[in-house]
Amino acid sequence: SQQGEEDPQALSIQEGENATMNCSYKTSINNLQWYRQNSGRGLVHLILIRSNEREKHSGRLRVTLDTSKKSSSLLITASRAADTASYFCATDGSDYKLSFGAGTTVTVRA
Amino acid sequence: EPEVTQTPSHQVTQMGQEVILRCVPISNHLYFYWYRQILGQKVEFLVSFYNNEISEKSEIFDDQFSVERPDGSNFTLKIRSTKLEDSAMYFCASSDDAGTAYGYTFGSGTRLTVV
Repeated sequence: SQQGEEDPQALSIQEGENATMNCSYKTSINNLQWYRQNSGRGLVHLILIRSNEREKHSGRLRVTLDTSKKSSSLLITASRAADTASYFCATDGSDYKLSFGAGTTVTVRA
Repeated sequence: EPEVTQTPSHQVTQMGQEVILRCVPISNHLYFYWYRQILGQKVEFLVSFYNNEISEKSEIFDDQFSVERPDGSNFTLKIRSTKLEDSAMYFCASSDDAGTAYGYTFGSGTRLTVV
């Protein structure tokens, strides 16, 4: 399986702090994507990083990818209460379907 | 911003009944998908659909499941005879490039409860 696995499972931080979560996967990928899910709601695409990229930024988000270690990290800088959600990494392999991890639940305290 | 629309948002059905979950993908997208998330578990791939046919399906997507694009805008998932274990959130997604550059756009989901 090439499912992503996130670490930690849960994270609680103060507003303004940075949040970092990691994802590991097992087999080769075309790209790795991060999604956010607010409680009981749909999945929102955050960022996609291709297998030949090492780092990508989008607003307050920074994603890294290390294909030699089969791992990725998502950094949210200057967190806000609205960032409270579950964050999932999903790997996209040669079969063009996403394999999701179990997610990291982030709570941002005001 | 274009959205993927799913209806209904919540459906309760009796075990053994047929249900149809509806999705309107983004209009210029060509690739369509169904995923599901059982409460507290991972999001799981069910099926992908391109050029009016299934391109990939998971082992979950057995003979009880079918998908259809009945017209130019709707994409449906039918569960023929629902079981208790079909209770989950079902997400429709679409993409214009098989997710290779811009990822997938997901709908808000249909919460299916089988009683």
